[in-house]
Amino acid sequence: GAVVSQHPSWVICKSGTSVKIECRSLDFQATTMFWYRQFPKQSLMLMATSNEGSKATYEQGVEKDKFLINHASLTLSTLTVTSAHPEDSSFYICSASRLAGVEQFFGPGTRLTVL
Amino acid sequence: AQSVTQLDSQVPVFEEAPVELRCNYSSSVSVYLFWYVQYPNQGLQLLLKYLSGSTLDKGINGFEAEFNKSQTSFHLRKPSVHISDTAEYFCAAYLNDMRFGAGTRLTVKP
Repeated sequence: GAVVSQHPSWVICKSGTSVKIECRSLDFQATTMFWYRQFPKQSLMLMATSNEGSKATYEQGVEKDKFLINHASLTLSTLTVTSAHPEDSSFYICSASRLAGVEQFFGPGTRLTVL
Repeated sequence: AQSVTQLDSQVPVFEEAPVELRCNYSSSVSVYLFWYVQYPNQGLQLLLKYLSGSTLDKGINGFEAEFNKSQTSFHLRKPSVHISDTAEYFCAAYLNDMRFGAGTRLTVKP
């Protein structure tokens, strides 16, 4: 149990385009979902926290107009990288929680490459 | 604010040798503690967690971790490693949100 999927697993796009990444909890209802960013050989950095039906809470330094997060249901959250640029290239990982974030289950990640 | 420190960025070890990956956290109140493993180009898999209770938590793949409140440590151990244990290991602490350590690269050599 407690499986989280992400789609796509990797994506390559041109600079200036927008990319949507989906995060789904497959066998449980996630009250809270989290989006992380990971640069090569570095740790995970929390970007934002989202609760179903509410606006996401963004960490300091994360542009909310650039990284749009929607948490429309208890099993789906989406991250849209708008007007992507090469510096947005990274590994994006989502996680889902049943207990307000105490125990998080992670997706397999999405590798974004912006040309 | 809480922080998590993983004392070793890289740990090379020979197959079947024991290993300890060190983790210290800073928090004046109780926190929840986790160890995750990450294989290349994959997400994080939970190895084990400490929410409360026993100080020695046994996880998957033969790993265990000992919670030491006085030393604010949560070191990860395995008595005999395999080649397949080669991966990145992250220690994490949750208080109001999840904070990760910088990671330790475990490399198991034949």
